[in-house]
Amino acid sequence: KAGVTQTPRYLIKTRGQQVTLSCSPISGHRSVSWYQQTPGQGLQFLFEYFSETQRNKGNFPGRFSGRQFSNSRSEMNVSTLELGDSALYLCASSLWENTEAFFGQGTRLTVV
Amino acid sequence: AQSVAQPEDQVNVAEGNPLTVKCTYSVSGNPYLFWYVQYPNRGLQFLLKYITGDNLVKGSYGFEAEFNKSQTSFHLKKPSALVSDSALYFCAVRDRDNAGNMLTFGGGTRLMVKP
Repeated sequence: KAGVTQTPRYLIKTRGQQVTLSCSPISGHRSVSWYQQTPGQGLQFLFEYFSETQRNKGNFPGRFSGRQFSNSRSEMNVSTLELGDSALYLCASSLWENTEAFFGQGTRLTVV
Repeated sequence: AQSVAQPEDQVNVAEGNPLTVKCTYSVSGNPYLFWYVQYPNRGLQFLLKYITGDNLVKGSYGFEAEFNKSQTSFHLKKPSALVSDSALYFCAVRDRDNAGNMLTFGGGTRLMVKP
């Protein structure tokens, strides 16, 4: 069974631009979560989608948004990029609420 | 609110010796607890989980962890460390009484196993 797939693996963007990251969960998993990992702040929860609905949201500004499609694939968007948005963005999928989350390899975003 | 503390930024151990990576948590309800490992430039890899039942849980690669409700701890252990165990380890908690799969992670502990 294929794992969680994130594309692209690496991105370089300029301040003020916007970016869209993609995540394909493990087949059959309906819950998709996004996390931001930085050296200073560690791993922080962005949001979670379940059956195309946002179920939880972390403490991030409105520039960070996401969505989930009917096939459970998810995208996250960051508008008006800032230097501080440079991070590894990780996507995770889960089968049920009491099961482990499986993570993709992440998208490394660099804002210059 | 939920939180996780990993009090050690780094743990050093000699190959063949037992290792312990510490984790304490705080949740308002009952916890689901997880350990993940991260290798350089990679995502997180699941090691083990506590959902309910036995306080001692066994996971991948010979790792185990003990859930201690009174001390709100979930320390990761391995009887005999390998050099290949060197990596970044994260403890995570989810509040069982809240809907959804939001995980709160500790700051991570770097494990260094020396030959």
